Amino acid sequence: EDQVTQSPEALRLQEGESSSLNCSYTVSGLRGLFWYRQDPGKGPEFLFTLYSAGEEKEKERLKATLTKKESFLHITAPKPEDSATYLCAVQVAGGGNKLTFGTGTQLKVEL
Amino acid sequence: DVKVTQSSRYLVKRTGEKVFLECVQDMDHENMFWYRQDPGLGLRLIYFSYDVKMKEKGDIPEGYSVSREKKERFSLILESASTNQTSMYLCASSSYRDATNEKLFFGSGTQLSVL
Repeated sequence: EDQVTQSPEALRLQEGESSSLNCSYTVSGLRGLFWYRQDPGKGPEFLFTLYSAGEEKEKERLKATLTKKESFLHITAPKPEDSATYLCAVQVAGGGNKLTFGTGTQLKVEL
Repeated sequence: DVKVTQSSRYLVKRTGEKVFLECVQDMDHENMFWYRQDPGLGLRLIYFSYDVKMKEKGDIPEGYSVSREKKERFSLILESASTNQTSMYLCASSSYRDATNEKLFFGSGTQLSVL
């Protein structure tokens, strides 16, 4: 059974304090790994897709990396507006277009 | 920008009622999905559709059905609502024509409470 596990469940950072969120996965064959951001009361918003081990993608203060077993979302010098729940999802080879999501990491960045 | 619109933001229903959740997307996407989101369980796929009048079961289809009569509209139906169907329901769409066609665009969700 395909599994996606995110850690930590919750993370509290001071503004400017860099950290990383983890997404470990166990799947039969990875087709793609996705990161989404979800603000309270809203639907998830797409951030990145990673397809192969060693791939990296960046957007502003966020950088996503992928290995054969896990992905990291690195947040450099976060700001309060980065506070959100970050979701990881996998797409499995032969599974069509559907995504399997982890339970998310709730990030709060304080002044 | 892609817009996925869910008809209700909040909905309160009684046990046993038939419930319709509507979703409309305005970008001519082929694929549409219904997820439910519960604390500690994440997003779980209920049903999805790759084309008009086509539907496929997701991971938790029991107690739900769907309808896709038009490309832009995907309806989720709770035939007889139960309290364990109280949840946030999220609709999403995607296109084969997108270079990264798996990218999902989500609506804002419908918080359904079944009393």
